[in-house]
Amino acid sequence: DSGVTQTPKHLITATGQRVTLRCSPRSGDLSVYWYQQSLDQGLQFLIQYYNGEERAKGNILERFSAQQFPDLHSELNLSSLELGDSALYFCASSEGAWKSGELFFGEGSRLTVL
Amino acid sequence: TQLLEQSPQFLSIQEGENLTVYCNSSSVFSSLQWYRQEPGEGPVLLVTVVTGGEVKKLKRLTFQFGDARKDSSLHITAAQPGDTGLYLCAGARDDKIIFGKGTRLHILP
Repeated sequence: DSGVTQTPKHLITATGQRVTLRCSPRSGDLSVYWYQQSLDQGLQFLIQYYNGEERAKGNILERFSAQQFPDLHSELNLSSLELGDSALYFCASSEGAWKSGELFFGEGSRLTVL
Repeated sequence: TQLLEQSPQFLSIQEGENLTVYCNSSSVFSSLQWYRQEPGEGPVLLVTVVTGGEVKKLKRLTFQFGDARKDSSLHITAAQPGDTGLYLCAGARDDKIIFGKGTRLHILP
C-alpha cells in the first residue's frame, strides 16, 4: 500500500461527458502528480501541484483541468470526453516539489469512454 | 521522440535465466529511477541511481547508471515468475518527471 488513494477505481461514461477523478496523497506529501497511461503512449505526465500551486505542466489537454485543495487532495477534471481519453489515470505524490523522481503512485482510475 | 528509450519492449524468458533491460537517453539526468508495475496496480519504486557509474543491488536485481548519466541498465539474475511485470525507468527533466514506455517482462515457469 503506497498510501496514495484514488477514486473511483473504474469509471465508464459516454463521449461528451465530464468526469472528476480524486486523489489523496500520502500523509505529509505536498506534491501531487497526474499521469495518463495508455498501451501505446506509456505513462504521460499531465500536471504537478505543490502545496496547492501548479508547478509543472505536461501534455495536458485544454479539456482537462486539475487543482490541489488546502487539505492537499487533488482532483483531475476531464470534460468533453472523447473515445481516445480512455486510459488509466494515475496520481502520485512526493514529499517535496520533487525528490529525484521518487514518486508514490496510487492504484489508478480506469476510465472507459464509450 | 521519446526522451527515455527502453529496450527491449517485450521479453519472455524461462525461469532461472538471466536478463538485462536498458534505458537510454541522449540527455544527461541528475538521477534515474526504476519502477515495476504489475497489472491493475500503480508503479512501485525499486531504486534511484544518482552517481555516474553507480551500481546498486536489490537481491537478484542489479541496477547500473552509465558513466555519463545518460543511460541505465537493470540486470536480473535467475529470473523468477514473480519478476513478471512492466519495468519503467524515469528521470527528472525541465521540472517534469518523465517515464520511458517500459519493458514488459514475462518469466515462464
